[in-house]
Amino acid sequence: GAGVSQSPRYKVTKRGQDVALRCDPISGHVSLYWYRQALGQGPEFLTYFNYEAQQDKSGLPNDRFSAERPEGSISTLTIQRTEQRDSAMYRCASSKLPNSREQYFGPGTRLTVT
Amino acid sequence: GNSVTQMEGPVTLSEEAFLTINCTYTATGYPSLFWYVQYPGEGLQLLLKATKADDKGSNKGFEATYRKETTSFHLEKGSVQVSDSAVYFCALSGNYGQNFVFGPGTRLSVLP
Repeated sequence: GAGVSQSPRYKVTKRGQDVALRCDPISGHVSLYWYRQALGQGPEFLTYFNYEAQQDKSGLPNDRFSAERPEGSISTLTIQRTEQRDSAMYRCASSKLPNSREQYFGPGTRLTVT
Repeated sequence: GNSVTQMEGPVTLSEEAFLTINCTYTATGYPSLFWYVQYPGEGLQLLLKATKADDKGSNKGFEATYRKETTSFHLEKGSVQVSDSAVYFCALSGNYGQNFVFGPGTRLSVLP
């Protein structure tokens, strides 16, 4: 596609449920990044991939959060046993080259945990 | 660790006023510096970037110069328009393009 797409755009879930957020990067982009953005704050790095390999997951807040990119294209961020503090905008970005310093962002998924 | 500090908003200006949004950073090595913009209801868009000291990034009338001596990357525009109303984020990435760190954002409102 023309840009990074994310789905769903909005997700409301009950505390304790698992959620899966999807990111479809720009075609041919090698690197894919996940961020979390709280209201009124800048994006906070979670994890990133080069191709299908997860390069850095130091930003994942705890072991309820995981991400995969099995075929080096679409990625899924999964949050297990959601908690209210997980409510935020989750943003995905991709870049053309490995470790490129220029990232293109998707529209985000707004997650609300009730 | 790396960090970015930018001036708190909101900033409210009249159309055609001069804009400065301050950004300073703390980083090891030779980071790249960025300004991203988020228009209402949209995702983040790269506005401009600079990859080494004394580089000037520019786009859509906005400019920012990478100042290593003052660890700053202030955003400027000579004459703002109503359409520039948005949230502006200063950001840096590490030596190898990893670990993007964003500032908290500065909301700009331009009044006609």
